[in-house]
Amino acid sequence: GAGVSQSPSNKVTEKGKDVELRCDPISGHTALYWYRQRLGQGLEFLIYFQGNSAPDKSGLPSDRFSAERTGESVSTLTIQRTQQEDSAVYLCASSLGPGLGQETQYFGPGTRLLVL
Amino acid sequence: KQEVTQIPAALSVPEGENLVLNCSFTDSAIYNLQWFRQDPGKGLTSLLLIQSSQREQTSGRLNASLDKSSGRSTLYIAASQPGDSATYLCAPNTGNQFYFGTGTSLTVIP
Repeated sequence: GAGVSQSPSNKVTEKGKDVELRCDPISGHTALYWYRQRLGQGLEFLIYFQGNSAPDKSGLPSDRFSAERTGESVSTLTIQRTQQEDSAVYLCASSLGPGLGQETQYFGPGTRLLVL
Repeated sequence: KQEVTQIPAALSVPEGENLVLNCSFTDSAIYNLQWFRQDPGKGLTSLLLIQSSQREQTSGRLNASLDKSSGRSTLYIAASQPGDSATYLCAPNTGNQFYFGTGTSLTVIP
């Protein structure tokens, strides 16, 4: 079956512009996660959705970052007024749910964002 | 905040060797821990998920152990192959998120 997909795969933007990153999770997966990976660094948690709700937004680095999820499916991560330090690979993952045995996360290929 | 350390940062072994990758974490109140591999330019692939109540989990040539109280997990790879070359990441889960280490970069030399 289809895995997690993300679009675009690459995005180059100018400093100050807004960008939208999209994630399509595996069908039926209620949990969805966004992470950021800067060059040479580990994955950094951004936000977690259970259904369409985000009980944990603690990882969003600033108020320029926001995310939403609709229909318990697709999610978009929006970065407003992009800065050069936002350049990174943005990874999305989904899992069946938070219940025991359902936590295995499946990752998408990521969106490479470069802010010039 | 959970801090995750992986040792060694890089490892190079000849094909056929058995090897152990180490992961330590500071907050032992975890629900489970997941091991991933990351290939260059690609996303993460889940290898094993071990629950906090388990001591070991096996999948093929891979065996993950967990000592929750001491904040340690190891990933054992038997009879390594060149196709095992990748970065291996461990990620303990403390509830709503997995915290990731910076990984061990493994190279298996044919």
